[in-house]
Amino acid sequence: AQSVSQHNHHVILSEAASLELGCNYSYGGTVNLFWYVQYPGQHLQLLLKYFSGDPLVKGIKGFEAEFIKSKFSFNLRKPSVQWSDTAEYFCAVRASGTYKYIFGTGTRLKVLA
Amino acid sequence: EAGVTQSPTHLIKTRGQQATLRCSPISGHTSVYWYQQALGLGLQFLLWYDEGEERNRGNFPPRFSGRQFPNYSSELNVNALELEDSALYLCASSLAGQGTGNTIYFGEGSWLTVV
Repeated sequence: AQSVSQHNHHVILSEAASLELGCNYSYGGTVNLFWYVQYPGQHLQLLLKYFSGDPLVKGIKGFEAEFIKSKFSFNLRKPSVQWSDTAEYFCAVRASGTYKYIFGTGTRLKVLA
Repeated sequence: EAGVTQSPTHLIKTRGQQATLRCSPISGHTSVYWYQQALGLGLQFLLWYDEGEERNRGNFPPRFSGRQFPNYSSELNVNALELEDSALYLCASSLAGQGTGNTIYFGEGSWLTVV
């Protein structure tokens, strides 16, 4: 069965620190990969997505993620976080050709000003 | 263009009652998904509707059901409410039948509290 693991449940960083949130999935076939963000009191928004091509994808607000097929990983990165990045981040996987998305349990990021 | 809209924003029900949540997808989207976001459990897939039919359901009991109407809007019904059904219920929509280039877009959710 497909599954998504986000290893860090809570992360606390100071402003300007670098961020890397881990995401690993289990599925043997071709996948589409997503990171969503939920700011406090707001709905889920798409940060970035990977379908094919360059495994390093850039999203909104300076976020990027790298798909490493051999490691079944799609880690989210940002070189320098801001207080406004405080939110919950969800990694999601979809097996290509299907419409069922599997989400990780989320990582709560708190950035201290 | 309007996004995915959900109603009500908040709903308080008593254990054993039924709750009905509604969702209107983005115009042109035919697929609607329902997710439950319970505290500490992340997003759990509930149901997927496309073209009026249930295409897939997650690991939830049958008292969670729904339907999709001809205008592609959708309802989620939860019968015999239990305290642990208290959660944020998210609806999402996407284009269907467009190959692998689809992304789902989420509404703001409906908070269901069971007391």
